[in-house]
Amino acid sequence: NAGVTQTPKFRILKIGQSMTLQCTQDMNHNYMYWYRQDPGMGLKLIYYSVGAGITDKGEVPNGYNVSRSTTEDFPLRLELAAPSQTSVYFCASCRGGGGEPQHFGDGTRLSIL
Amino acid sequence: AQKVTQAQTEISVVEKEDVTLDCVYETRDTTYYLFWYKQPPSGELVFLIRRNSFDEQNEISGRYSWNFQKSTSSFNFTITASQVVDSAVYFCALSEARNDYKLSFGAGTTVTVRA
Repeated sequence: NAGVTQTPKFRILKIGQSMTLQCTQDMNHNYMYWYRQDPGMGLKLIYYSVGAGITDKGEVPNGYNVSRSTTEDFPLRLELAAPSQTSVYFCASCRGGGGEPQHFGDGTRLSIL
Repeated sequence: AQKVTQAQTEISVVEKEDVTLDCVYETRDTTYYLFWYKQPPSGELVFLIRRNSFDEQNEISGRYSWNFQKSTSSFNFTITASQVVDSAVYFCALSEARNDYKLSFGAGTTVTVRA
């Protein structure tokens, strides 16, 4: 019963490098989300998707891109890593809107040096 | 503007004490949901409870209880007889119909339970 799986768990990047954070869920959920969590702060929404082929910006989308080609996968792309993107990233999914609780992955801790 | 305010940044208690976490929210929507999530030291986020705007019944689950009061826009969380395993960061979150039910999180309250 995997739920929401994020890879990698940890990563160190150099400024200007690119990488993709992977997120996959096996619950057949339509809605998926990417958040970042900075120290002492709550989670901020980066991007979300209500179904395959549909994505939309959240509160803090600058510097990131996403795609949703399948129901299961929702990768997050950092094109030109900057120190301000050092954070813990969480992927989440839920069945639909209407207040369904979101299920979270274990997070990816990313450091940009 | 902050939609969810958790005024307590950190709370430290001794085991078996009760602890109450405050959550105040702001919305103009009539249809919304409130959530509590727990983030233990291991880092994952665990869903604890959901309450919709039309149901003001309080809820108890074991040592956990929640008090929802629309009149004061509050959704407070009480841990009774706290245990060391309750040490975690607790987040309150709001989901509004007019915001596509996206979650707005508070900044979290760190609870430390000392043996």
